[in-house]
Amino acid sequence: DTGVSQDPRHKITKRGQNVTFRCDPISEHNRLYWYRQTLGQGPEFLTYFQNEAQLEKSRLLSDRFSAERPKGSFSTLEIQRTEQGDSAMYLCASSLKTGYEQYFGPGTRLTVT
Amino acid sequence: AQSVSQHNHHVILSEAASLELGCNYSYGGTVNLFWYVQYPGQHLQLLLKYFSGDPLVKGIKGFEAEFIKSKFSFNLRKPSVQWSDTAEYFCAVNAWTNAGKSTFGDGTTLTVKP
Repeated sequence: DTGVSQDPRHKITKRGQNVTFRCDPISEHNRLYWYRQTLGQGPEFLTYFQNEAQLEKSRLLSDRFSAERPKGSFSTLEIQRTEQGDSAMYLCASSLKTGYEQYFGPGTRLTVT
Repeated sequence: AQSVSQHNHHVILSEAASLELGCNYSYGGTVNLFWYVQYPGQHLQLLLKYFSGDPLVKGIKGFEAEFIKSKFSFNLRKPSVQWSDTAEYFCAVNAWTNAGKSTFGDGTTLTVKP
């Protein structure tokens, strides 16, 4: 399978704990994106990388959220001190620099209890 | 800031009926436009896209969309739906000046009755 993969697919955590999600993009894609999706809404942009550089972060991304893409390949999204409002599906997507269509992974569903 | 509005939250059709899902965006500059589909239990996938040129674009599975610049619209159409088209459909836009960030609408759930 050469698509975008995400791990884990599901995560249940207690409020206040830290969680980390991983995304492996399509290998030749330079750009990698993180989105958050809650029930009844479309994906909401969080941040994106071009290679290892983080080019934009949403103002909605609080200081508790951080993302990295250290070698320009896989990326991690960490949420510190989770809150119940963080419960959502976290989607990763990738694209070629010159093409703008994004290819999505299956998502990581986070439940904060 | 860019925004996307999808007018229909849930559409129910019988097989062979025609489909039109509305999408309007708000942005003053040049945009790229997309429709994505999410079938039950599957992840988001691209249905069709518009970058430039012919405003009528054709996608997979018989879908098409028309970009009307004066109306800031990018409506999705299919002349005859099938039960297998049951899915959630999302319209998305990104700006030529910042092609990293895509803004999505809240989606339209399509249910096709056999």
